[in-house]
Amino acid sequence: GAGVSQSPSNKVTEKGKDVELRCDPISGHTALYWYRQRLGQGLEFLIYFQGNSAPDKSGLPSDRFSAERTGESVSTLTIQRTQQEDSAVYLCASSLGGSGGLHEQYFGPGTRLTVT
Amino acid sequence: AQSVAQPEDQVNVAEGNPLTVKCTYSVSGNPYLFWYVQYPNRGLQFLLKYITGDNLVKGSYGFEAEFNKSQTSFHLKKPSALVSDSALYFCAVRDPRNDKIIFGKGTRLHILP
Repeated sequence: GAGVSQSPSNKVTEKGKDVELRCDPISGHTALYWYRQRLGQGLEFLIYFQGNSAPDKSGLPSDRFSAERTGESVSTLTIQRTQQEDSAVYLCASSLGGSGGLHEQYFGPGTRLTVT
Repeated sequence: AQSVAQPEDQVNVAEGNPLTVKCTYSVSGNPYLFWYVQYPNRGLQFLLKYITGDNLVKGSYGFEAEFNKSQTSFHLKKPSALVSDSALYFCAVRDPRNDKIIFGKGTRLHILP
């Protein structure tokens, strides 16, 4: 079946521009996560959506970052006024959610963002 | 605070030798624990998980992990390492307050031919 998809796969933007990254989770997955991964580094948690609950935004690094999710489907991560330090791979993951968090996450291929 | 720690940034193992990648956790209540792997230039993949039951969990690619409640550990193991096991490994734990999954910082495993 279809996995988690992300678009675009690569994005090059000029400093100061806004960018929007998209994630299509696996159908039926109620939990959705966004992470940032700098080159060769670990995962930096950004935001977590679980069903209709208020999202956990505790990982967003600044108010330039925001994310939305439409119901239990598509999510978009928006970065305003991009800075060079925003350059990274942005990963999206989804899981069945509920059931107390016992389900594994399925990751998308990521969007590689380069801010020049 | 709910957390997970991977104390080693890098682990080097000779091919054919057993390997261990360490993970310790701190959560309230019963832990749900996960291992993920990121091969070079590829996406993150789920390896195995512990929810309940047998403390020894078997997963993909011949990996296994042992849940040790008294030591709050969930070390990843493989009896005989392959060069193709070289990758970045992440341990993760569920935060029972909101079911959010918390990842460790990752351990880079190098298998030397």
